[in-house]
Amino acid sequence: SQQGEEDPQALSIQEGENATMNCSYKTSINNLQWYRQNSGRGLVHLILIRSNEREKHSGRLRVTLDTSKKSSSLLITASRAADTASYFCATVFGNEKLTFGTGTRLTIIP
Amino acid sequence: GAGVSQSPRYKVAKRGQDVALRCDPISGHVSLFWYQQALGQGPEFLTYFQNEAQLDKSGLPSDRFFAERPEGSVSTLKIQRTQQEDSAVYLCASSFGGRKEKLFFGSGTQLSVL
Repeated sequence: SQQGEEDPQALSIQEGENATMNCSYKTSINNLQWYRQNSGRGLVHLILIRSNEREKHSGRLRVTLDTSKKSSSLLITASRAADTASYFCATVFGNEKLTFGTGTRLTIIP
Repeated sequence: GAGVSQSPRYKVAKRGQDVALRCDPISGHVSLFWYQQALGQGPEFLTYFQNEAQLDKSGLPSDRFFAERPEGSVSTLKIQRTQQEDSAVYLCASSFGGRKEKLFFGSGTQLSVL
């Protein structure tokens, strides 16, 4: 079963605009991770944010975590055509396995 | 190689056939995971190894699914008597540490059961 749920399910924006995706989850977590998946490929790890962290940056990526609302957001600034992909959040709680959400399909329009 | 390698890339099986999917993790990675991904969905956990020990197989959908990692490196996921609902992409991932760490994924094996 999927632990997280991404919102929106699909997003199309113009190149150069910012893209924001949200993830909600159900239980308390140890950490939350974001992954990208290009069509027909495996997943690539983007960022890991721990439960005691509120914000993390990596290049054009910014992730926030609100444990009181059980939600996270991924912001991609100055989007590029190469950012077109599906984005998944994944959570770990306790000693359990990494559980993925349903994903957001992002399309960048050149 | 530098990344996680999976083979074959594509597999077509007739219903009832047995299949074996191979995963070569990154050298030195202790943990190995198998996930199943249906079209348009997120990956669903199947099983987890720490070295050669299978510590969690709670996600295997039936006793037709079997995974092994006998020497703590290469892993094989075997599906016996395949059925149409087994059609999916099977992803292998590895990590240097435990199951809470970031995962490195292979490109997957796309299984189609006819």
